[in-house]
This record gives sequence, C-alpha cells and structure tokens, in this order.
Amino acid sequence: DAGITQSPRHKVTETGTPVTLRCHQTENHRYMYWYRQDPGHGLRLIHYSYGVKDTDKGEVSDGYSVSRSKTEDFLLTLESATSSQTSVYFCAISESTQETQYFGPGTRLLVL
Amino acid sequence: SQKIEQNSEALNIQEGKTATLTCNYTNYSPAYLQWYRQDPGRGPVFLLLIRENEKEKRKERLKVTFDTTLKQSLFHITASQPADSATYLCALDGGGSARQLTFGSGTQLTVLP
Repeated sequence: DAGITQSPRHKVTETGTPVTLRCHQTENHRYMYWYRQDPGHGLRLIHYSYGVKDTDKGEVSDGYSVSRSKTEDFLLTLESATSSQTSVYFCAISESTQETQYFGPGTRLLVL
Repeated sequence: SQKIEQNSEALNIQEGKTATLTCNYTNYSPAYLQWYRQDPGRGPVFLLLIRENEKEKRKERLKVTFDTTLKQSLFHITASQPADSATYLCALDGGGSARQLTFGSGTQLTVLP
C-alpha cells in the first residue's frame, strides 16, 4: 500500500464523542486526502492538504476537521461523531494533483 | 450539477471474454480520467490514466478509451480471468484550483470460471 498506514483500522464509538483518525505516509508526497466511502455514493472527498498546515475542504466536509503539522501525518477529526458518519474512511496521497493517488488500507468506523 | 455514472452496479462475464465497463459524465470538462481497481476490504489501486488529448491507452490486457465529445470512457479487460473480479472505479479531474479527483460509484465485475 505504497507506504501509507491508517490507524486505527477499526473503531466503534458512541454518538457525540470526538474521534481522530490518523494517516501516516513514508513517501514524502505533498498532497494528502481524506475520503469516505459509502454504498451507492462511491468515494467522496472530505478534506485535502497541499502542504504542511495547508488544507482545504472537499465535497463533504461538514462535521470534520483536519490537521497536518508534518509532511507525513494527516489527521481527520470528527468533532462530535454522528451515526451518519459511520463509514469506511480512506486516506490517499499523491505527488501532484494531476497524478495517481495511492490509497491506504482504510478505517472502518461505526458510530452507535 | 456534475455527475459521473458507471454502468450497472454489477457485471458478470465468462472467463476468457472481454469485459467492457462504462464511465459517463456530465457537466465536466476533465483534463484527464483515471481507472482504479478495488478489492473487498482494501483501498483502491490505480490502473490507468488517460488525458483529454489521448483517445486510447493500453496496459497489458487493459485498454481505456476517452471520448470527450460523448463524455464517456470505456474500460476493457481482454481475456478476462477470475482474478480480475473486483470493483472498478473511474475518477475524473474535477477541476477547481486544486483539481481534485471525483470518483464514480464503481462497477462490480465478476468473472465466472
């Protein structure tokens, strides 16, 4: 998986609790992305980063925040988890915006 | 609004035949289009990229076409094998300042032995 790890791989949490997912890369790629994947919707972009401390919103950013303090780490935080945020979350990296994206193994999140 | 459609949620074909998957889009003018493969429980894996000025791209048993007039890409797997069974996603350059990828919902291909 191209030097990308995600943690945790599985998480069960309760509505209203904060949750942080971590993406770590060893490829030194500039761009990092967080997607969620749900049946019937495919992959939808939540947030992305184009450098340390440089982030922007994607298609479905409400309820999520991100931080990137180091090139290798991109954190996704659900401030107050809701059942609608039950999903599989994928991190991806790329060298530029017009290049291949490499995906991590995913985090399966269940919000009860 | 922008929309990507991939043909039928599931496609079953016999081993050895050619599988053809379709990706149609509206209200986009993508500079490029990519195809990914996703196996159950795994992240998508890049297969091919084709740019707007290219009509066709090949890689081993895979072939992609890109028709910007029809707003359509076709993805072909020749001499299909059961190991080709997976979900295939098309992704378009969604434009904007960062040119993020926008993904279709995928077509699940099953190659029957």
